[in-house]
Amino acid sequence: DAMVIQNPRYQVTQFGKPVTLSCSQTLNHNVMYWYQQKSSQAPKLLFHYYDKDFNNEADTPDNFQSRRPNTSFCFLDIRSPGLGDAAMYLCATRTSGRSTGELFFGEGSRLTVL
Amino acid sequence: EDQVTQSPEALRLQEGESSSLNCSYTVSGLRGLFWYRQDPGKGPEFLFTLYSAGEEKEKERLKATLTKKESFLHITAPKPEDSATYLCAVRRGSQGNLIFGKGTKLSVKP
Repeated sequence: DAMVIQNPRYQVTQFGKPVTLSCSQTLNHNVMYWYQQKSSQAPKLLFHYYDKDFNNEADTPDNFQSRRPNTSFCFLDIRSPGLGDAAMYLCATRTSGRSTGELFFGEGSRLTVL
Repeated sequence: EDQVTQSPEALRLQEGESSSLNCSYTVSGLRGLFWYRQDPGKGPEFLFTLYSAGEEKEKERLKATLTKKESFLHITAPKPEDSATYLCAVRRGSQGNLIFGKGTKLSVKP
């Protein structure tokens, strides 16, 4: 059973048209991440939540925002997508409790910008 | 600056031809080195965590090892279903965020 679910799997948008990607988890993990991954590149951390505390990476563009209304859900908003924002967006979770510390990833949302 | 470098970028093997993937890292205060497998169009899938030099972990045809500067993912007698991109990541800092390498794309031909 899928534990981290991302929707939509594929999103096509026009240049400048806002997009929202969603992530839900059934693991009750308190830490959630959003990564951006471009073709043949390393996943790049955009931001993460430690419980309700929001942490923005220094080089994450202002065009990207996030919301976490509760433990289970997290959203990535791209206010005015540019061609350079076309990528796979990965949501991941982990527990801050006793564990091996691994991240559990969703299947990703692939964004195309026309 | 914390950095993770994986080599080679791509590796093509014949079925049964064993080999190793390399992950070298520079990070202050390593708090774990992680290996993930990523299939095309999918999210990464966790394989191993290593915490200290000398540690080894095994899973089927895969074996991960760790030194103070690098980690190796050894693949013994690979099969076509082992074809994927293998990502290495290091965990740093109190927040525990992972820094990923670009990965090694492995292709195993029958």
